[in-house]
Amino acid sequence: KNQVEQSPQSLIILEGKNCTLQCNYTVSPFSNLRWYKQDTGRGPVSLTIMTFSENTKSNGRYTATLDADTKQSSLHITASQLSDSASYICVVSEGPSGTYKYIFGTGTRLKVLA
Amino acid sequence: NAGVTQTPKFRVLKTGQSMTLLCAQDMNHEYMYWYRQDPGMGLRLIHYSVGEGTTAKGEVPDGYNVSRLKKQNFLLGLESAAPSQTSVYFCASSPSLAGGLRRFFGPGTRLTVL
Repeated sequence: KNQVEQSPQSLIILEGKNCTLQCNYTVSPFSNLRWYKQDTGRGPVSLTIMTFSENTKSNGRYTATLDADTKQSSLHITASQLSDSASYICVVSEGPSGTYKYIFGTGTRLKVLA
Repeated sequence: NAGVTQTPKFRVLKTGQSMTLLCAQDMNHEYMYWYRQDPGMGLRLIHYSVGEGTTAKGEVPDGYNVSRLKKQNFLLGLESAAPSQTSVYFCASSPSLAGGLRRFFGPGTRLTVL
């Protein structure tokens, strides 16, 4: 069964610290992997997208990595800010390019404290 | 450019009542989607549309109907609401299904069925 698992479920860090969120997937065939940020009470917003040939993608203080061999991805947040408090959702697209099917992880809830 | 908007933002229904959730997008996107988000679960696709006048079932379509009479609007209907339909509903749109193109999500509708 195609699945996306994220860890940890929740994380609390102090402002200014770095953190890394993990995503493991069993989706096959693989098309691409995305990280979304979802603020409380809002819809998800895309942070990065990576295909199987890409192993690193950055968006400001967010850096995503992908190891297609081990089917693992991570999202590293540098110098965290209070506004980083949100849920971070890993999404894997199944199938060849053109498929509608997204497999969503349950998210990691990050809380950044002052 | 408002992106994807949803109405209403909140709604409380009694079991057996009906209602329609409205999604509108002003980006001229062909594809639109309805998801539900429940605690401890990833977003799940209810129905989607690949263009005006077309609809298709997603992973969890039972108890819902949809219509796409206009390209910019995608309606989700609950004919006879059940407590199991208590959830947060997100609409999304994308220019196509092609890989590499992200989906834009609306702010969500929180529905409670008593």
